[in-house]
Amino acid sequence: DAKTTQPNSMESNEEEPVHLPCNHSTISGTDYIHWYRQLPSQGPEYVIHGLTSNVNNRMASLAIAEDRKSSTLILHRATLRDAAVYYCILREVGAAGNKLTFGGGTRVLVKP
Amino acid sequence: GAGVSQTPSNKVTEKGKYVELRCDPISGHTALYWYRQSLGQGPEFLIYFQGTGAADDSGLPNDRFFAVRPEGSVSTLKIQRTERGDSAVYLCASSPRLAGGTDTQYFGPGTRLTVL
Repeated sequence: DAKTTQPNSMESNEEEPVHLPCNHSTISGTDYIHWYRQLPSQGPEYVIHGLTSNVNNRMASLAIAEDRKSSTLILHRATLRDAAVYYCILREVGAAGNKLTFGGGTRVLVKP
Repeated sequence: GAGVSQTPSNKVTEKGKYVELRCDPISGHTALYWYRQSLGQGPEFLIYFQGTGAADDSGLPNDRFFAVRPEGSVSTLKIQRTERGDSAVYLCASSPRLAGGTDTQYFGPGTRLTVL
């Protein structure tokens, strides 16, 4: 399985943007890049995913490098509610991609 | 609408006992997944179902773990002869269908299992 590398933790101030990097140098051409986050004492929740092009939704933006070996999740204005562990996950096309393979993620601390 | 629910929210048992953990997926979701999360780590895949059948059980750690989904909706994860190392949060997720890496999985809050 292709692996991802993320910083263990990041800090941000409330209402400032947060840029969460993810390295995935062994990504294959058909792997999707997914992001989930896990708030304290809750199950993970989906944030965003993409393949090649940058993606935006109401929660965040996903910027994917042209060579696809890295990506960045962008939270445009961090709130206290965004304090969570953020997981970058590669998912293959086909049956092997049905399960999520979580790494250690990045713990985001938002300071008021 | 209602999300994924899991019962009980907490379960304390003694070493060697049998436990059952229940998952109610989102109505209409045909795919159901079980994960396990140890303290300070990311969730680890155990098994997933498409309908009533276990499509991939490669993550089950040993034969003490078993899961069923007899009617294609509710699922039960069963652990026999529990060990202290089984202590973890057991997470259930569902998705509308298996979509080979493009679907969204919706997680429940988990069941925290403590084996004394």
